Amino acid sequence: AQSVSQHNHHVILSEAASLELGCNYSYGGTVNLFWYVQYPGQHLQLLLKYFSGDPLVKGIKGFEAEFIKSKFSFNLRKPSVQWSDTAEYFCAVNGGSQGNLIFGKGTKLSVKP
Amino acid sequence: GAVVSQHPSRVICKSGTSVKIECRSLDFQATTMFWYRQFPKQSLMLMATSNEGSKATYEQGVEKDKFLINHASLTLSTLTVTSAHPEDSSFYICSARDSSNTGELFFGEGSRLTVL
Repeated sequence: AQSVSQHNHHVILSEAASLELGCNYSYGGTVNLFWYVQYPGQHLQLLLKYFSGDPLVKGIKGFEAEFIKSKFSFNLRKPSVQWSDTAEYFCAVNGGSQGNLIFGKGTKLSVKP
Repeated sequence: GAVVSQHPSRVICKSGTSVKIECRSLDFQATTMFWYRQFPKQSLMLMATSNEGSKATYEQGVEKDKFLINHASLTLSTLTVTSAHPEDSSFYICSARDSSNTGELFFGEGSRLTVL
């Protein structure tokens, strides 16, 4: 069965620090990869997605992610975080038998002002 | 962007009662909707896939008689937790696939169920 691993459960950064959240998946075939963000009290929102083409994907709010096929990774990055980036971040891959997304456990990001 | 609305956002009920959660796609048609359950500090776990006009497909370990899913129209799916027990307390999230466009998934706000 496919799985998605997010290495960090909780990351605490100061404003302006750089961010990298790890994500690895276990599927060897063609994958579509996603990062979602869930701000406190809000629903999941799509940050960015990779379907094909340039492995460096740029998303909203200054986030980007790089798909490295050889490492089965899709790490999320942001050069300089803001307090408003405090949220939970979920990596996902579409690989379910029903076309559903399979999610990692999420990484909680806390940014100190 | 597309909007998926879930209702209610919070519900508290007594043990043994049934609770219905609605998931609506507000500005697009969704032939497929997914119901997820999120436990504290854990990932979203797929419970079932809801297809308009046909029976839902349940994931292994999910009781179909306990979690009734109905997808009667292209914009509405409902999840009914029957004879709820405290262990059913959780955060339930639906997502809908845009049938007409890229097939992108959009998520509802989630419904927090507390069973006393």
